[in-house]
Amino acid sequence: RKEVEQDPGPFNVPEGATVAFNCTYSNSASQSFFWYRQDCRKEPKLLMSVYSSGNEDGRFTAQLNRASQYISLLIRDSKLSDSATYLCVVRRGGFKTIFGAGTRLFVKA
Amino acid sequence: GAGVSQTPSNKVTEKGKYVELRCDPISGHTALYWYRQSLGQGPEFLIYFQGTGAADDSGLPNDRFFAVRPEGSVSTLKIQRTERGDSAVYLCASSGPGAEDTQYFGPGTRLTVL
Repeated sequence: RKEVEQDPGPFNVPEGATVAFNCTYSNSASQSFFWYRQDCRKEPKLLMSVYSSGNEDGRFTAQLNRASQYISLLIRDSKLSDSATYLCVVRRGGFKTIFGAGTRLFVKA
Repeated sequence: GAGVSQTPSNKVTEKGKYVELRCDPISGHTALYWYRQSLGQGPEFLIYFQGTGAADDSGLPNDRFFAVRPEGSVSTLKIQRTERGDSAVYLCASSGPGAEDTQYFGPGTRLTVL
């Protein structure tokens, strides 16, 4: 079993849709949590950190449930430019960083 | 300012050869990471440097892989006796003091072992 598991998708949604991505992690010692975005054949870029209290950045909302070891990302009012792979990322104590395999999103006009 | 740079952008080599991949982190960034990414997968952690020292090299797959960062800036990932399974994109990332949560990635080196 992988340490960070994501639904690989792809998710195909129309513009304006709301889409949710889920992620689970197996190491209860994990301390920090993030969502990264990766465009095709490009490097990953930090989208947002994820906190237990939940956090929002514009159309993006991230939530963490430590008890269930579950992380989510919600994208509202999807844009064509949101099409990318979304990577769930977990960091243990120290700085070892574990990436999920990613969930692909296609937003269509 | 300049981002993380990696050279070469592409490297084709033959099985059994030695390769070196270079990473120039963002100036002033003390933390440096190496990852490799295979098609359809997320980046796989290889090694993390804090300054000149390798603070965590638990992701290096075997002793054919080695990385150095002698002056705490530029890092080189070295792969000996390359195998076809080493083919992947090798990514470098750096983060700054007080902002370790944000890793800035370079464009990667695409390594192909024939």
